[in-house]
Amino acid sequence: GENVEQHPSTLSVQEGDSAVIKCTYSDSASNYFPWYKQELGKRPQLIIDIRSNVGEKKDQRIAVTLNKTAKHFSLHITETQPEDSAVYFCAASNWRGFGNEKLTFGTGTRLTIIP
Amino acid sequence: DAGVIQSPRHEVTEMGQEVTLRCKPISGHDYLFWYRQTMMRGLELLIYFNNNVPIDDSGMPEDRFSAKMPNASFSTLKIQPSEPRDSAVYFCASSLAGTSGRDEQFFGPGTRLTVL
Repeated sequence: GENVEQHPSTLSVQEGDSAVIKCTYSDSASNYFPWYKQELGKRPQLIIDIRSNVGEKKDQRIAVTLNKTAKHFSLHITETQPEDSAVYFCAASNWRGFGNEKLTFGTGTRLTIIP
Repeated sequence: DAGVIQSPRHEVTEMGQEVTLRCKPISGHDYLFWYRQTMMRGLELLIYFNNNVPIDDSGMPEDRFSAKMPNASFSTLKIQPSEPRDSAVYFCASSLAGTSGRDEQFFGPGTRLTVL
């Protein structure tokens, strides 16, 4: 089955700086890579996702890059703000085009933005 | 829509007791997922359903765990008998099958289970 590794497990950055979280996956058939954000005591929520037919996707201050050859993908947050403090999870699945398939999650990165 | 609804939000029980967690997915969604979250193991998929049919239960830890989805608007996760190591936050999530765009899973607020 799929195995997703995520690094680092904790990350502290100064407000305004950039944060990068990296994930690797094992199953070359995986083609869908979402990122979820979980604030303290709250539920995980999707913030961005990418499919294997693109190498990069941006949404305002967040971006995700994918390297299929190396089987890794990364989340980039620029101009970090205090509200970015949360736990971020990467995930991978083999999306076959007709429905949702199970996600394998990474172990999470606790991001702390220092004011 | 109210989103995914879970009950109870908190459950404290004693070892050996039966525990039933409940979930109401978003209306119209045809996938339902049960996850368990702990500090040690992160977010683990236990089981998921498509159109009320269990598709993959390989994440269910052992026979003490069972899940049902009798109709499109209700699912249960039962633990019998419960053990202290079952203490965790249990999330239910639902999604709508799509051929393009985001296959977003919408999570419920979770049930925090404590087994003494």
